[in-house]
Amino acid sequence: QSVLTQPPSASGTPGQRVTISCSGSSSNIGSNTVNWYQQLPGTAPKLLIYSNNQRPSGVPDRFSGSKSGTSASLAISGLQSEDEADYYCAAWDDSLNGLVFGTGTKVTVL
Amino acid sequence: EVQLVESGGVVVQPGGSLRLSCAASGFTFDDYTMHWVRQAPGKGLEWVSLISWDGGSTYYADSVKGRFTISRDNSKNSLYLQMNSLRTEDTALYYCAKAVGATIQDYFDYWGQGTLVTVSS
Repeated sequence: QSVLTQPPSASGTPGQRVTISCSGSSSNIGSNTVNWYQQLPGTAPKLLIYSNNQRPSGVPDRFSGSKSGTSASLAISGLQSEDEADYYCAAWDDSLNGLVFGTGTKVTVL
Repeated sequence: EVQLVESGGVVVQPGGSLRLSCAASGFTFDDYTMHWVRQAPGKGLEWVSLISWDGGSTYYADSVKGRFTISRDNSKNSLYLQMNSLRTEDTALYYCAKAVGATIQDYFDYWGQGTLVTVSS
């Protein structure tokens, strides 16, 4: 049950900045923190951003996250070829009493 | 090193049952909430279920409620997913994921490589 909406695709040339939106509601993003996961082709997802805007150790600082109201965003600045992947936002939903993922965004480096 | 290794995925007929397992190592298993997440072929991620550190609390996605049961055996560092009344739409790669803490809203810091369940006649 994807109740978080993301654009299906995003693209940019190397070095450009790409932003991915994640739209939710008061029961999920509006009242809980947002986390982002990166899934490289053929691999398991990996934590990219947690608690709206925190980067785990080892994640390059060109990845950043933000949240405002019932929406969140992931920005990739200085896009690199190895950033080609699917990106998913996620948040706890108080109404569903479960975790919800975004619909996913495929990032292509042109 | 944290490792999560799923097993048990096979081809099963609609209406059938299956039990998935996830063997955990490299961390104190009974300190953390654990989850199952699935991904249908070519589709996005879907959260399936979670279980608290002591097994006392469980939560399910509406799509599997009443059909799937999550459990854990802390003495064996293992997580399970009993899947009954399987449907073709349950076909997916099933991932085991470790939460960063013991709170149900905690994010995942480690994922397994997944085990493939195919429901087909």
